[in-house]
Order: sequence, then C-alpha cells, then structure tokens
Amino acid sequence: GAGVSQTPSNKVTEKGKYVELRCDPISGHTALYWYRQSLGQGPEFLIYFQGTGAADDSGLPNDRFFAVRPEGSVSTLKIQRTERGDSAVYLCASSFSVNTEAFFGQGTRLTVV
Amino acid sequence: KQEVTQIPAALSVPEGENLVLNCSFTDSAIYNLQWFRQDPGKGLTSLLLIQSSQREQTSGRLNASLDKSSGRSTLYIAASQPGDSATYLCAVPAEGGANSKLTFGKGITLSVRP
Repeated sequence: GAGVSQTPSNKVTEKGKYVELRCDPISGHTALYWYRQSLGQGPEFLIYFQGTGAADDSGLPNDRFFAVRPEGSVSTLKIQRTERGDSAVYLCASSFSVNTEAFFGQGTRLTVV
Repeated sequence: KQEVTQIPAALSVPEGENLVLNCSFTDSAIYNLQWFRQDPGKGLTSLLLIQSSQREQTSGRLNASLDKSSGRSTLYIAASQPGDSATYLCAVPAEGGANSKLTFGKGITLSVRP
C-alpha cells in the first residue's frame, strides 16, 4: 500500500478485556516496529520484527502483551486483560530494512475504561 | 542507555520567522538520526534522516544538521508558516547501531502565529 495502515483508529474497551490492534506495513518492507505513545511523551519501543520473527521484544511491558507477524507482512499486537494504564496511542512503523528510514502509521488510540 | 532531550517543550513564533529546534542525545555512537513531525491526534511523518557520515540534510524549507561528537542535532525551518504548527520529534537508535529500536525525545510543540 501507499503507507502504513493501522486499524482500528480508535478502540475503547473495558478493563479486563482482550484487544487486537492491526498493522499493515508498506509493501516490501521487511522490518516492522510497534511503539506506544502516552500523552505528552515521545513514542516508546515495544517490539521489532524482521520478517516473521520477533527480533527484539524487550520493550513489551509484561506478558499481557504479545505480537505476531505470521507471514512477514501484517502484524497484530495483542493485549490480554487490559488495564487502564494500557491506554495510549499504539504506533506501528515499517522500513525497507533495519537501517533505513522508518515510516509510521496513524496509530490506534486505545482507551481502557 | 541512550537518552534524547528536546528543549524547550513548546515554542511560539510569528509567521515568517526562521527558527531552530534543538535535539541532544547522550550516546554519540549513533548510526543515524531522524526528525519527525506529528500533528495532533495523528501519527508521525518522517521529515529527514541523517546518516552518521553526513553533517546535514535538506528538504524544502527544512534543514537538519548533525554533530555526533557533541551529541546534537538541529532542525532549521526557514520562513515559518502557520501550517508548520505541529510537534517535532527527533529519534536515534537506542543502542547506537541499527534502526531497530528508536529512542525519541518528548518533542517540541511549535505554534506559528499568523
């Protein structure tokens, strides 16, 4: 596609529920990244994929967070047992390779009530 | 651990003014540095990527410079316009090497007054 696409753009969920956030990277980009941005802060790294495998998941805050990229293209970030503190904008980015320019999607605003 | 600082947090200027946005980072062993723009409620738009071997990059009215040894980068915006109002963030690789894990500053929120 023309750019990185994230769906949904907004998600409101109740505390304790499970959510999935989707990212469609730019076609041909092998590297895919997830970040989380809280109000007034810069994005914080969550996880990075090179192809289908998670090359670095050191930014995932705890085991309630998980991400997959089964075919090396679309990625899904999964959050179990959501908490109010998970409320943030979740940003996805992709790049042609790991050392090239990263392009970001519009983000998914997650609100846990 | 890489840390990125952007000061001030907010800036307001009249239209037409030339301005400089600053970014500093603690670990100078970076592979590159990237400047982004973020409009309210939106994602990040990449503005400029400077490789560690470069000293500056230009795109239209924007010019970004990089001084690795001093841990600094500046984004120069010429002849500012109200449409330039946004938050500007700089980012560097968290561990000096590949782009796989970027560390961001908190951003500078720019307001250009008509």
